[in-house]
Amino acid sequence: QKEVEQDPGPLSVPEGAIVSLNCTYSNSAFQYFMWYRQYSRKGPELLMYTYSSGNKEDGRFTAQVDKSSKYISLFIRDSQPSDSATYLCAPPREQAGTALIFGKGTTLSVSS
Amino acid sequence: NAGVTQTPKFRVLKTGQSMTLLCAQDMNHEYMYWYRQDPGMGLRLIHYSVGEGTTAKGEVPDGYNVSRLKKQNFLLGLESAAPSQTSVYFCASSYTAGGQPYEQYFGPGTRLTVT
Repeated sequence: QKEVEQDPGPLSVPEGAIVSLNCTYSNSAFQYFMWYRQYSRKGPELLMYTYSSGNKEDGRFTAQVDKSSKYISLFIRDSQPSDSATYLCAPPREQAGTALIFGKGTTLSVSS
Repeated sequence: NAGVTQTPKFRVLKTGQSMTLLCAQDMNHEYMYWYRQDPGMGLRLIHYSVGEGTTAKGEVPDGYNVSRLKKQNFLLGLESAAPSQTSVYFCASSYTAGGQPYEQYFGPGTRLTVT
């Protein structure tokens, strides 16, 4: 089983929709979860992170971790065309400093 | 601050040629990393460094070498390029404090094609 798995999509939604992006992970030692956003032909950039279980909200974005089911989610409210990007989930890799294990990413397209 | 910069942005090599990719960061980060990104494969760690003069292998190190002679620079070398090394290469840097990982800052990427 891969350590982090994401549905690659693509996911297409109309502007204003609520989007749910999901990851599953296998290593129960992971404590720190990050979501990165990558625009086409650009490097990834940190969108938000969450530690342990529960929710974290930042504007239109909410990150949620369910450690019992090893499931992490990113919700986007009132989605905008500018949210069109690939979203990568990433817990930290324990054997390589703070290097990340990335999911393959979910590509989101928001149409106006 | 320029953040993380990568040189060159694009390159085409012939099989067997060699080249060096340069990564530079001006944030005084201790940790630096090289990833490759391929369609359907996601980002994979090639090599990393936890400080000046140190390097270590990631999950896909074969065919690559690295050096970190200065804290701000991390070089990725391909001694004999192969078509399987056609990819987009990203460099990243980060700091850590008290055992807690902090975000990685990525460069804009280098698109390499090996024919």
